Formats: sequence, C-alpha cells, structure tokens
Amino acid sequence: GENVEQHPSTLSVQEGDSAVIKCTYSDSASNYFPWYKQELGKGPQLIIDIRSNVGEKKDQRIAVTLNKTAKHFSLHITETQPEDSAVYFCAASKNDMRFGAGTRLTVKP
Amino acid sequence: DSGVTQTPKHLITATGQRVTLRCSPRSGDLSVYWYQQSLDQGLQFLIQYYNGEERAKGNILERFSAQQFPDLHSELNLSSLELGDSALYFCASSVGSPDSQVPYYNEQFFGPGTRLTVL
Repeated sequence: GENVEQHPSTLSVQEGDSAVIKCTYSDSASNYFPWYKQELGKGPQLIIDIRSNVGEKKDQRIAVTLNKTAKHFSLHITETQPEDSAVYFCAASKNDMRFGAGTRLTVKP
Repeated sequence: DSGVTQTPKHLITATGQRVTLRCSPRSGDLSVYWYQQSLDQGLQFLIQYYNGEERAKGNILERFSAQQFPDLHSELNLSSLELGDSALYFCASSVGSPDSQVPYYNEQFFGPGTRLTVL
C-alpha cells in the first residue's frame, strides 16, 4: 500500500518568514495530493491540493509543488502569520488516502 | 463548518466495553471514511464506505467494525475496548466514485471528531 513520509515533524519560524514542508510517497499510481491544516481541537481542513497532471499550484500565500518522477511534493507558505500555527498533514491518494505523520508549525510573532 | 457531523463529541468508557460512533456525511456525498488519531500521531485510515458498500480497508482492528446505512450515515463500532483505543476518531466524506477501479479526486471533508477515552 501507499506510504507517505513527511518532514520536518516540527517547524518554528518567525512571522513573515517562509515555511516549507516536504513529503514523499511510494505508490507511483497515486494521483491526488492534498494538504490539510489541523488546529487544536478541530478536524483537519483542506487548504490546497494538487493533481498528478499538474506540477505546481498556488493560492495566495500557499503553494504546492509536485515532482512525480521523484515522488515528492511540498507545501510552501510565504509571509507566515501567527494564525498559520497548526499541524499540517500531507496525503497521497489513488482511491484511499494515506497521510503523513504531520508537521507542527509554530509562527512566532 | 465542513458539513460533516459526528456524535458524540466526547465519550468516556471503561476497558472491555463497546461503543458506537456516528457520522453524517455532507449532503450529496456518498463516501464515508473513518480515521483514528492517537495522541501526537498522524491520521490512520481505518475504513471507507461508498453508498453502503465497503470500499477500502486500512489499519482497522478486528474488534472494530463499521457500516453505512441507506440514508448514508455511518457508524463505527468499537468493542472489547482497551486503554490504547483512546484517541480522536474522525469521519470524513467525499463525493466518491461508483467505480472503484477508476481513479478519482477524492477531496475529503472532515468532521469535528469524537474524542474517546478508555479508562
């Protein structure tokens, strides 16, 4: 089955800096790669996703890149704000979804 | 608000007991997924249903079972509970695909979760 690895497990940045979270996957058949943000006491919320026929997608301060050959994808958050502090999960999916272990992002004011 | 509802929000029970968690998907979604999230752990996929039928199984223990009813709500049954079953249990829903062999982009919307504590 699919195996997703996510790094780093924790990330601390200064407000205004950029944050990058990286994931690798094992199943070359995976074709959908979402990123979820989970705030304390809440369920994960989809923030951006990318499909296997696209290399990059951007939505305001958030961007995701996908390298199918290397089987890795990354989340980039620019101009970070304290409210970006949360746990971020990557996932890879063909039919069922497999999640990375999560990255706890802390943005210091 | 994702549109996915889960009840109860909190559940406290004892070892050896049996509990049922309930999930109602977003209007129009036919697929329901169950996940377990232990303390400081990621999301572990348990099981998926599509329109009443089991579609995929993940790391679900034999003591756990689930079903999806004709009205599309789903229940996750956990029996012979152990201390290690204490976790957050999330339900998610998506539109899904009628053909399990056809790849589809299954954007999933998560509910608020049920926090299970086994004492």
